[in-house]
Amino acid sequence: DIQMTQSPSSLSVSVGDRVTITCRAGQIISNYLAWYQQKPGKAPKLLIYDSSRLQSGAPSRFSGSGSGTDFTLIISSLQPEDFATYYCQQSYSVPPTFGQGTKVEIK
Amino acid sequence: QVQLQESGPGLVKPSQTLSLTCTVSGGSMSSGTSYWSWIRQHPGGGLEWIGHIYYSGSTYYNPSLKSRLAMSIDTSKNEFSLRLSSVTAADTALYFCARGGTVPADYFDYWGQGTLVTVSS
Repeated sequence: DIQMTQSPSSLSVSVGDRVTITCRAGQIISNYLAWYQQKPGKAPKLLIYDSSRLQSGAPSRFSGSGSGTDFTLIISSLQPEDFATYYCQQSYSVPPTFGQGTKVEIK
Repeated sequence: QVQLQESGPGLVKPSQTLSLTCTVSGGSMSSGTSYWSWIRQHPGGGLEWIGHIYYSGSTYYNPSLKSRLAMSIDTSKNEFSLRLSSVTAADTALYFCARGGTVPADYFDYWGQGTLVTVSS
């Protein structure tokens, strides 16, 4: 299985801040990387796929980049509705695996 | 708009079999354009992919659960199911069904709301 490691595990930020979350794969996965947002008690919501493609309906303040083993999710200006946990997921090989999550909290 | 809905018992006794069904609406499962997955989340934990099934019935299970796992699909009813045998407290989790893409490893664009399954006597 491909191990996915996110950092940081949590961060405290303010509305309007720029937020950067990183994800590292245990082996090269090309650009087969997705990002999800999850709020408590809800299903994850797909934000980004293929490393940098914005899912239909996801706000444009979310962007993704990276290839190979290192990937980044950026929220350009954090909005109140963005406080949530974010997960990366590799879609390079089965079984698909997720990072451990990054919780974005209010400072 | 594709929608998924999980259903099944919320409480299962240890050593028994956990059975869940996911009903899909807004699209036909027999079109062959998607793999259909089960994913779970332990309380306060991360996401664990359980396995998937294709419209043809072909499956791939997470090796960590393979010996206890069975999935099935009924395209006429637009639903797929999960059976996990010999459950323990470690199987207590929020179980999601989700739609994958056209290849075995893909991202998940539609999810059910999740159903909490507690394993307890």
